[in-house]
Amino acid sequence: DTEVTQTPKHLVMGMTNKKSLKCEQHMGHRAMYWYKQKAKKPPELMFVYSYEKLSINESVPSRFSPECPNSSLLNLHLHALQPEDSALYLCASSQDRTGRRNQPQHFGDGTRLSIL
Amino acid sequence: GIQVEQSPPDLILQEGANSTLRCNFSDSVNNLQWFHQNPWGQLINLFYIPSGTKQNGRLSATTVATERYSLLYISSSQTTDSGVYFCAVARDSWGKLQFGAGTQVVVTP
Repeated sequence: DTEVTQTPKHLVMGMTNKKSLKCEQHMGHRAMYWYKQKAKKPPELMFVYSYEKLSINESVPSRFSPECPNSSLLNLHLHALQPEDSALYLCASSQDRTGRRNQPQHFGDGTRLSIL
Repeated sequence: GIQVEQSPPDLILQEGANSTLRCNFSDSVNNLQWFHQNPWGQLINLFYIPSGTKQNGRLSATTVATERYSLLYISSSQTTDSGVYFCAVARDSWGKLQFGAGTQVVVTP
């Protein structure tokens, strides 16, 4: 699924750094998602944005801060992360899902994050 | 929450063989997707199939929603089919996808 673009592809950061992950889609989708995937595990949902509003936060620690500046962009701001936060972070988008049968989610290639 | 079970957990195939992967889920769903995650971590959409049957080349999938299971068929497997196959479902309108643990497939030449 290359219609969802994530940058950077790899990121190494120290525990005191602040960095951001970026996700962009131009399919006109109005729902966007962040997932976290640890090695040899399935992806787990972190956040859902619908029409640029945060609709689900799966009890994610506050050191992860999502932002949806417009319908095409989704950011994940990182601050004071821990080594256990090292993982693959996946962004996804789907068409309007409000009040309708679910639409398929399309995933980006992910950002592989390593915390030193 | 909804439970998703995939079987088998691991599968080793010789090139050219056929196989069937299974996904059972514990409640009615309105979204079911099959993904292939390649060794580079890319998660590729294979099928969006909350019910019915679909085919795409050597792959096909069937979901029997009333019996809460889905099957993914791989025919004439190739080494590029190696990777992890995930089934994921969503029950509510919020689109929260719940993934199964995956089936690790290795296709040998």
